[in-house]
Amino acid sequence: QVQLVQSGAEVAKPGASMRVSCKASGYIFTDYSIHWLRQAPGQRPEWMGWINAANGFTKFSQKFHGRVTITRDTSATTAYMELSSLRSEDTAIYYCARVFSSTYVFDYWGQGTLVTVSS
Amino acid sequence: DIQMTQSPSSLSAFVGDRVTVICRASQSISGFLNWYQHKPGKAPTLLIYGASNLRSGVPSRFSGSGSETNFTLSISSLQPDDFATYFCQQSHSAPFDFGPGTKVDFK
Repeated sequence: QVQLVQSGAEVAKPGASMRVSCKASGYIFTDYSIHWLRQAPGQRPEWMGWINAANGFTKFSQKFHGRVTITRDTSATTAYMELSSLRSEDTAIYYCARVFSSTYVFDYWGQGTLVTVSS
Repeated sequence: DIQMTQSPSSLSAFVGDRVTVICRASQSISGFLNWYQHKPGKAPTLLIYGASNLRSGVPSRFSGSGSETNFTLSISSLQPDDFATYFCQQSHSAPFDFGPGTKVDFK
């Protein structure tokens, strides 16, 4: 069965960077893209960016451009999202999600990773 | 960005009730509208894609309709497992905005 398993919760200081991983299984990794989203407490989910798992092409939301990096390791069937220059407003649950082709429909999600930014 | 709104923001219902959630987009998104169910501490799950297509495995009591700017999610007979928050999401163009959610709880 399709599974996306994310790394564990993190606490980071303002100004630092953090990285979340997303290990995919149960499907052909390079047939789908991986998207990253986040949901701050009491807020709606927010799309951050995506990576084409086959060729590594990335695209990001303007809101995060310059602060977010998304990479993948096809041999490990794992995608990574790194967010830099953290501020308190970045405290949120971060999710990876699978998307087929260019449908932009998030059909499977990781379990979420809580990132807390606090001094 | 496309602004997504939902109504109501919350509703209370009995098991067996018919429930309707409305989602509106600030501009036409054709049929590029998806619905997700989200329970506390869990990942969101896809229910409906392309406005009206039921995802495989999702109970048939869920249905979606609409096009352009107005969309509806209906639950024909609310079950105990359906108490959750429901989000709409436009897949027409980046940044693939979500609605604010509708929380469905026990009356």
